Amino acid sequence: DQQVKQNSPSLSVQEGRISILNCDYTNSMFDYFLWYKKYPAEGPTFLISISSIKDKNEDGRFTVFLNKSAKHLSLHIVPSQPGDSAVYFCAASPDTGNQFYFGTGTSLTVIP
Amino acid sequence: KAGVTQTPRYLIKTRGQQVTLSCSPISGHRSVSWYQQTPGQGLQFLFEYFSETQRNKGNFPGRFSGRQFSNSRSEMNVSTLELGDSALYLCASSDLIYGYTFGSGTRLTVV
Repeated sequence: DQQVKQNSPSLSVQEGRISILNCDYTNSMFDYFLWYKKYPAEGPTFLISISSIKDKNEDGRFTVFLNKSAKHLSLHIVPSQPGDSAVYFCAASPDTGNQFYFGTGTSLTVIP
Repeated sequence: KAGVTQTPRYLIKTRGQQVTLSCSPISGHRSVSWYQQTPGQGLQFLFEYFSETQRNKGNFPGRFSGRQFSNSRSEMNVSTLELGDSALYLCASSDLIYGYTFGSGTRLTVV
């Protein structure tokens, strides 16, 4: 039972444009959300997080939006750069110290 | 400080064999989690250890087991390997505040 879903396996975006990666979850107890970025042959690296008390968190070119009523979060990358090409995983947890549930990932390709 | 270290990086085993993977967490991190990554399945949670105790377990058969030592290093064991066990196995350590730091993984191929 996939509690965190990333319905787009892949996404292609032109360099300089906005990349929007989406994530849906089913468990209303999820309270803390993260995005990870993964390059081939490497482990995922932490990108940005958001807790349920906020609806937006921004870090440089990366912004995560959370819509709790829709159980939906999204990651915006503006402007997209070729180095952003990677697989992006969203993850959710009932709290920061608990098990995280990951989505299946979205492979982003930024075209120069 | 040193990151999460997983050994070996690559492994080829035959069906029916057993395998042990090792993970050394970031110094001071007491929580170690294991994930399996396969194409189309994302990261599937295997189990989490904290202070040598298994705190959470995912939906994997009993062939998958683990343990954690007093120095927080963790091992994962898979017995009676099946072809479907071929995957990237990722270990992540956590200080339970800011999420996980992942190792580079062990790529297991079962032939």
